[in-house]
Amino acid sequence: DTAVSQTPKYLVTQMGNDKSIKCEQNLGHDTMYWYKQDSKKFLKIMFSYNNKELIINETVPNRFSPKSPDKAHLNLHINSLELGDSAVYFCASSQRFLGQSRGWHEQYFGPGTRLTVT
Amino acid sequence: SQQGEEDPQALSIQEGENATMNCSYKTSINNLQWYRQNSGRGLVHLILIRSNEREKHSGRLRVTLDTSKKSSSLLITASRAADTASYFCATDEESYIPTFGRGTSLIVHP
Repeated sequence: DTAVSQTPKYLVTQMGNDKSIKCEQNLGHDTMYWYKQDSKKFLKIMFSYNNKELIINETVPNRFSPKSPDKAHLNLHINSLELGDSAVYFCASSQRFLGQSRGWHEQYFGPGTRLTVT
Repeated sequence: SQQGEEDPQALSIQEGENATMNCSYKTSINNLQWYRQNSGRGLVHLILIRSNEREKHSGRLRVTLDTSKKSSSLLITASRAADTASYFCATDEESYIPTFGRGTSLIVHP
């Protein structure tokens, strides 16, 4: 009965490789997010999808590409991995984004994927 | 620049004491949210307070919002060892983009 799940939990890979992280939510939410948390716990949003439509696309290298096959899934593909990509990546979901004038609902986070690039 | 800054960065208290952490932001918000993150886990939502609200309670948690000072505080009363975690505030002041601070690391000693 996990609400937001991510796979894998740990990912160790070498520089230059391509990897994917998968995320699924069973909460019926319309909006999903990817965050990156660095070693100092700074959490920064990368992408957000609202019912499969990309609504937030922060300044992220284009080696990172999100894909949302349906509103319950949001995957993150990373090409040509670099040392600086090492971090914990969190997926989250929420009820439908309310719009710029009303903000957003509380988010439900997955357990995180710890990516280590060697 | 980093919005939603928490203060202090670290807090160490004894069980039974109250813990107060603060969050400041720079522009205007629709709402402000507090989250908890246990070590090695994802964030868990605690409280959402809207810009027209001044105070909200949830169990041992009390959140205040002062929009004139652009700040919020999270008070945990009668703390327990299980409250040991990092606490983050999140705002939507950067347009509609959820923006988190760096968190306050709370240690509650039994």
